[in-house]
Amino acid sequence: QLQLQESGPGLVKPSETLSLMCTVSGGSISSSGYYWGWIRQPPGKGLEWIGTIYYSGSTYYNPSLQSRVTISVDTSKSQFSLKLSSVTAADTAVYYCARGNYYYTDVWGKGTTVTVSS
Amino acid sequence: QSALTQPASVSGSPGQSITISCTGTSSDVGAYNYVSWYQQHPGKAPKLMIYDVSNRPSGVSNRFSGSKSGNTASLTISGLQAEDEADYYCSSYTSTNSLEFGGGTKLTVL
Repeated sequence: QLQLQESGPGLVKPSETLSLMCTVSGGSISSSGYYWGWIRQPPGKGLEWIGTIYYSGSTYYNPSLQSRVTISVDTSKSQFSLKLSSVTAADTAVYYCARGNYYYTDVWGKGTTVTVSS
Repeated sequence: QSALTQPASVSGSPGQSITISCTGTSSDVGAYNYVSWYQQHPGKAPKLMIYDVSNRPSGVSNRFSGSKSGNTASLTISGLQAEDEADYYCSSYTSTNSLEFGGGTKLTVL
């Protein structure tokens, strides 16, 4: 069945750029009607939608993060990625990659913890 | 502060029914039938329980149901079981073409 796996550095320095990759297996990242996105959860807190991408490259971002976020897709590698610039301690969180139909998310990765600290 | 308001905690005894509310505005919950609910056990990824207000994905128990009235959506769990103890989050599509989550509700099964 469809599986998503996040990968990337677990520690990022303040002011630097956080970069994460999500690898999709067991299904096609180019499937019509499915969107691929990132959601994060700070320690002990709730979920926050970061943004979403369609396989065609169309992107949709959380307005509160839009100036710092870039999501891209590489269909040849069945991967999509997240870049978050100028990070601070407030960006420390578990980052999930996920699939949905845009309005809801039906398949989630296991999540990866990213800590922002010098 | 989350855009959607949920109670911080609810509790119930095994076999009972509980309802978790999710209050938004006329720009999100009240405007679209795109409310979803997620269950999250400690240390695990969220799991989709309800989508489009009241639809259950395949494999989700029919003890879980969703509804909406005005700007408030609700998740009801009937026949409460110990395994239902978890955090629950609502989510809604918004008029700014984005998604937002509630702050989460901790369900305790007594």
